[in-house]
Amino acid sequence: GQQLNQSPQSMFIQEGEDVSMNCTSSSIFNTWLWYKQDPGEGPVLLIALYKAGELTSNGRLTAQFGITRKDSFLNISASIPSDVGIYFCAGQPPSGGYQKVTFGIGTKLQVIP
Amino acid sequence: DGGITQSPKYLFRKEGQNVTLSCEQNLNHDAMYWYRQDPGQGLRLIYYSQIVNDFQKGDIAEGYSVSREKKESFPLTVTSAQKNPTAFYLCASSSGTFSTNEKLFFGSGTQLSVL
Repeated sequence: GQQLNQSPQSMFIQEGEDVSMNCTSSSIFNTWLWYKQDPGEGPVLLIALYKAGELTSNGRLTAQFGITRKDSFLNISASIPSDVGIYFCAGQPPSGGYQKVTFGIGTKLQVIP
Repeated sequence: DGGITQSPKYLFRKEGQNVTLSCEQNLNHDAMYWYRQDPGQGLRLIYYSQIVNDFQKGDIAEGYSVSREKKESFPLTVTSAQKNPTAFYLCASSSGTFSTNEKLFFGSGTQLSVL
């Protein structure tokens, strides 16, 4: 199946700093989804991207659908302690519905107050 | 509020026992999914259903069974044939394969452990 590489796997940042993480694939996707998951909880959808080059914001979060359709980026500006959690990406390939979605293994974000 | 409800939050299974995880959604979504989450791995698809009374195996269906008798409900049974059932199980739903700008939403998960 398709492979999604997500990086970095973990990061420690100071409160107030900006954060950037990305996902890359060996194949193209039609849709990129970004989620945040807290320990013991289900993932919460942050941003959905549907077109190559699309740039979408949700508060302090901004995500972009790469022009090659093989990558996506998530940026968090002015981080705060509640940003702590695991962020992961998901990509839907051109063929098939969401049953074909591939998930990254996540970026664990820790914020130092 | 619309959403996906999973129960119970924690479940313990004895050897040789079948257990059932509940998933209910009030989003009026046609498609529902079950995923398994293990530490250090991406989510893996167990079963999915695109319409009532129909479901398909995902990548790791062995040892699991499902039913889809109602649009809003998609229970997952972990059978005794599943030898390594300890994991966090996530139910998800989406509007349907042919919807535009489709999104995938998740429930809050069930942690299954073996006694």
